[in-house]
Amino acid sequence: NAGVTQTPKFQVLKTGQSMTLQCAQDMNHEYMSWYRQDPGMGLRLIHYSVGAGITDQGEVPNGYNVSRSTTEDFPLRLLSAAPSQTSVYFCASSYGLAGGRVAGELFFGEGSRLTVL
Amino acid sequence: AQSVTQLGSHVSVSEGALVLLRCNYSSSVPPYLFWYVQYPNQGLQLLLKYTSAATLVKGINGFEAEFKKSETSFHLTKPSAHMSDAAEYFCAVTHTGGFKTIFGAGTRLFVKA
Repeated sequence: NAGVTQTPKFQVLKTGQSMTLQCAQDMNHEYMSWYRQDPGMGLRLIHYSVGAGITDQGEVPNGYNVSRSTTEDFPLRLLSAAPSQTSVYFCASSYGLAGGRVAGELFFGEGSRLTVL
Repeated sequence: AQSVTQLGSHVSVSEGALVLLRCNYSSSVPPYLFWYVQYPNQGLQLLLKYTSAATLVKGINGFEAEFKKSETSFHLTKPSAHMSDAAEYFCAVTHTGGFKTIFGAGTRLFVKA
């Protein structure tokens, strides 16, 4: 069982460069989300999606774009990286209400550590 | 709007002592509440969850939490700490109709021999 897979695990960027963090899940989950984790601030929600073709903003969306063309994939794009985006990024997925399960129980990837110089 | 407050960014206990990690939430609708644990250089794992059934919830590794609506609290406890419990613990809230899960800032638990 692969679960939630994130790539790359580590990345170093220069200010102004762009990149995409990949996230894929093989559990047929409706809900997917991206968080960033910074010391003393817990996990903050960047963007989330409740199904293919549907995305919405979380607590800290500025500087990030997402799309959801398939149920399995939810990439996070940084169009012009800034040092303030240095963080550990986590992708998470969850069952939707249609499956009769509890929404909100999240399954996490192992994280992607991004450094912007 | 939902929010979560975890009291104490660091908690230190001796091995065998009681563990108490505090969490208070704010939610305008009935909440689902969660505790997650994160070991170094890993993602988060679900420890336990409250989903409006029993107010006392038992999780993995001997942890439990009690939902107290009147106090808007969901504190995590374990009767006897083990060295392997050293990790960071996160309280989280979502609501019955939603998908946005909001996390607290986390509490790092240290266990002394």
